[in-house]
Amino acid sequence: AQSVAQPEDQVNVAEGNPLTVKCTYSVSGNPYLFWYVQYPNRGLQFLLKYITGDNLVKGSYGFEAEFNKSQTSFHLKKPSALVSDSALYFCAVRLPLGGAGSYQLTFGKGTKLSVIP
Amino acid sequence: GAVVSQHPSRVICKSGTSVKIECRSLDFQATTMFWYRQFPKQSLMLMATSNEGSKATYEQGVEKDKFLINHASLTLSTLTVTSAHPEDSSFYICSAISPQGRNNNEQFFGPGTRLTVL
Repeated sequence: AQSVAQPEDQVNVAEGNPLTVKCTYSVSGNPYLFWYVQYPNRGLQFLLKYITGDNLVKGSYGFEAEFNKSQTSFHLKKPSALVSDSALYFCAVRLPLGGAGSYQLTFGKGTKLSVIP
Repeated sequence: GAVVSQHPSRVICKSGTSVKIECRSLDFQATTMFWYRQFPKQSLMLMATSNEGSKATYEQGVEKDKFLINHASLTLSTLTVTSAHPEDSSFYICSAISPQGRNNNEQFFGPGTRLTVL
């Protein structure tokens, strides 16, 4: 079974400082990895994904994530945080197409990011 | 990217009544849609997978007679919470898969529906 861990419930960072939101995964095979952001009372917005290729993936709003196969991690990063980045961030994993239930996403529990002015 | 809408965005109902939530893919045909439930400060929990023209597949522990799912067309899936109780109050989110060959069958999420049962 696949699983995703986001070890931090909350991350606080000062505006302008770099931010990192951690994610590790457990899955057999080569996973597809995703980051989503959720603002209060809103659905999920896609940030970025890793399918294959370069380990460093660039996404929306200046976010990027690095796929590290040996550490089974996919940490989300941004060089300079904005107050407007404050939201709930979810990491998710999906198996490549072909297997049963392979469309399904498994989500981490979420990390609340607070950017302090 | 592909757009998914949900209606209503917020609903308040009395205990014992039924509530229907619609999920629409606006600019693509979605053969598969998912329904999630999210409790406050928690992650999304998959409730069921809805395939157009067939019965939904429910996750373990989800009552199919309570959460009725209908996927009658390639652009619409509905979730009906029957005989709602206060413990059904939650944030319900749907997602839809874009057509094969486009975006690697990525899921696109609706904006969610906040259900409050009094």
